[in-house]
Amino acid sequence: DQQVKQNSPSLSVQEGRISILNCDYTNSMFDYFLWYKKYPAEGPTFLISISSIKDKNEDGRFTVFLNKSAKHLSLHIVPSQPGDSAVYFCAASVRPTNTGNQFYFGTGTSLTVIP
Amino acid sequence: ETGVTQSPTHLIKTRGQQVTLRCSSQSGHNTVSWYQQALGQGPQFIFQYYREEENGRGNFPPRFSGLQFPNYSSELNVNALELDDSALYLCASSHSGRFGEQYFGPGTRLTVT
Repeated sequence: DQQVKQNSPSLSVQEGRISILNCDYTNSMFDYFLWYKKYPAEGPTFLISISSIKDKNEDGRFTVFLNKSAKHLSLHIVPSQPGDSAVYFCAASVRPTNTGNQFYFGTGTSLTVIP
Repeated sequence: ETGVTQSPTHLIKTRGQQVTLRCSSQSGHNTVSWYQQALGQGPQFIFQYYREEENGRGNFPPRFSGLQFPNYSSELNVNALELDDSALYLCASSHSGRFGEQYFGPGTRLTVT
């Protein structure tokens, strides 16, 4: 049962334009969300996160938006650069309990930024 | 500050065999999580260790087991390997006080034939 879904396997964007990556989740208990970026032959790298008490978090060119009622989050990259070309994973979690902090990942979206 | 390292990089095993994968956590991190990433899928949580104790487990059978050592390095052991165990195994370390900031190693590619 996939609790975090990324329905677009790939996305191509021109350099300088906005990239929008989308993610949907089904578990209403999730209250912390993250985006990871992965280059080939490397492990995922933490990019940006957002807590459920917020609806937006910004870090430089990266902004994550959270719509709790729609159980949807998105990552905006503005402006997109060729170095942003990678696979992006969204992940969700419930705040730590005595069972630890288990993260549920989506299947990833491969972003290609065309120079 | 050294990052998360994993060994070996690649491994080929036969169905029914046992395998041990190793992970060295980033300096200062006391929590380690293991994930399985099948081709075309996202990482799936196997389990997490905190201070040498299992601190959460995903939907994986008991033949997947782990250890965390006093220096916070970790092992993932898989017994009675099946063909479906072929995947990239990722280790991620974090500090218990900094929720969410997991640092991943490059992974071990396991192929079961």
